[in-house]
Amino acid sequence: AQKITQTQPGMFVQEKEAVTLDCTYDTSDQSYGLFWYKQPSSGEMIFLIYQGSYDEQNATEGRYSLNFQKARKSANLVISASQLGDSAMYFCAMRERSNFGNEKLTFGTGTRLTIIP
Amino acid sequence: NAGVTQTPKFQVLKTGQSMTLQCAQDMNHEYMSWYRQDPGMGLRLIHYSVGAGITDQGEVPNGYNVSRSTTEDFPLRLLSAAPSQTSVYFCASKQASGAGLYEQYFGPGTRLTVT
Repeated sequence: AQKITQTQPGMFVQEKEAVTLDCTYDTSDQSYGLFWYKQPSSGEMIFLIYQGSYDEQNATEGRYSLNFQKARKSANLVISASQLGDSAMYFCAMRERSNFGNEKLTFGTGTRLTIIP
Repeated sequence: NAGVTQTPKFQVLKTGQSMTLQCAQDMNHEYMSWYRQDPGMGLRLIHYSVGAGITDQGEVPNGYNVSRSTTEDFPLRLLSAAPSQTSVYFCASKQASGAGLYEQYFGPGTRLTVT
């Protein structure tokens, strides 16, 4: 079963509007972390925001916020006031502990966001 | 700090050839990993290392070898390249494992084509 599910392969959003990118996850760990990364057309992976499973408040970083609903196992990324430079692939990822107590990231398949002027 | 560097940026191999993708980081990170990115599949973990001399397999390790003789370097070796290994390869590093925010820093990627 997929551990990270991103159900929106692509989205088109008008500039200056807010956008929500969906992410649901599956884990039996009590301690885990959720990340969002941005991948522009140049190819690099850029860290955006992190949410720990024990964090009581939703994470925010500038125009990015993470809508964390633990009971529903969802960790949606919200981008406020979208800009043309937000056009990119966005990946949701989960950090779990492997057999040796070390961590690995599991990524979703990504959402391609296109901002329309 | 240069962060995470990868060489080469692009590589074309013939089936059966071997090569090593280089990865280095200058942040003194204990944890390093290799991912491959294929269209429609996100990033998948190949191998990872929690420190010099310690490596382990990820989700898709077949056809790849790794070693970690120093904290800084984590090369990925393809012993006999196959067309199925055509992909973009990312190396990443992070601080030691533990709770809290320790995001992985990614290198710029290596685009590998096997013909």
